Amino acid sequence: EAGVAQSPRYKIIEKRQSVAFWCNPISGHATLYWYQQILGQGPKLLIQFQNNGVVDDSQLPKDRFSAERLKGVDSTLKIQPAKLEDSAVYLCASSLRVPGNNEQYFGPGTRLTVT
Amino acid sequence: KNQVEQSPQSLIILEGKNCTLQCNYTVSPFSNLRWYKQDTGRGPVSLTIMTFSENTKSNGRYTATLDADTKQSSLHITASQLSDSASYICVVTLMEYGNKLVFGAGTILRVKS
Repeated sequence: EAGVAQSPRYKIIEKRQSVAFWCNPISGHATLYWYQQILGQGPKLLIQFQNNGVVDDSQLPKDRFSAERLKGVDSTLKIQPAKLEDSAVYLCASSLRVPGNNEQYFGPGTRLTVT
Repeated sequence: KNQVEQSPQSLIILEGKNCTLQCNYTVSPFSNLRWYKQDTGRGPVSLTIMTFSENTKSNGRYTATLDADTKQSSLHITASQLSDSASYICVVTLMEYGNKLVFGAGTILRVKS
């Protein structure tokens, strides 16, 4: 079974530039999550999708971050414009469904460096 | 406030030695507790999962314990190997719609030869 795919793996941009990350979840997984993991910290949930609907985006900085999952499969996360403090690893995860104790499977992440 | 705290922050041990990582949580209502291993440059991978009624769970050389009364968990690694070098993250699931996870900051383990 293929895992969660993410691209690119690494990205370096200057502040005020825009960037987009892509995620393809495990086939059949209805729930998709985007996390931000700053160095030395645990992941922080940015947004959670159930199929193509948003379940939780309470911690998403909506003035600069946006995400979509138009067909309920793959998803993109965009930052525009980027700030220095956005430097982090952006993890995508997916699970079969909620509610329940369904495990979240994580992708390898995209490491973003903002200079 | 729902929080997960881990200790130590980092740890260096010699190959073949045992070690124990600690996790304290204040998450409520509690659904389950997981320990994840995160290798450098990779996403977290689940090692163990325990519900409220479980006290211990093993996965090879990894053994997790849970004391729901004191809200403490530990992860014991036996006969460490170089490949155990990673960050170990304690994660508690909130018992509410959305399956929200509360992450600890992790313990960085380095195994030396």
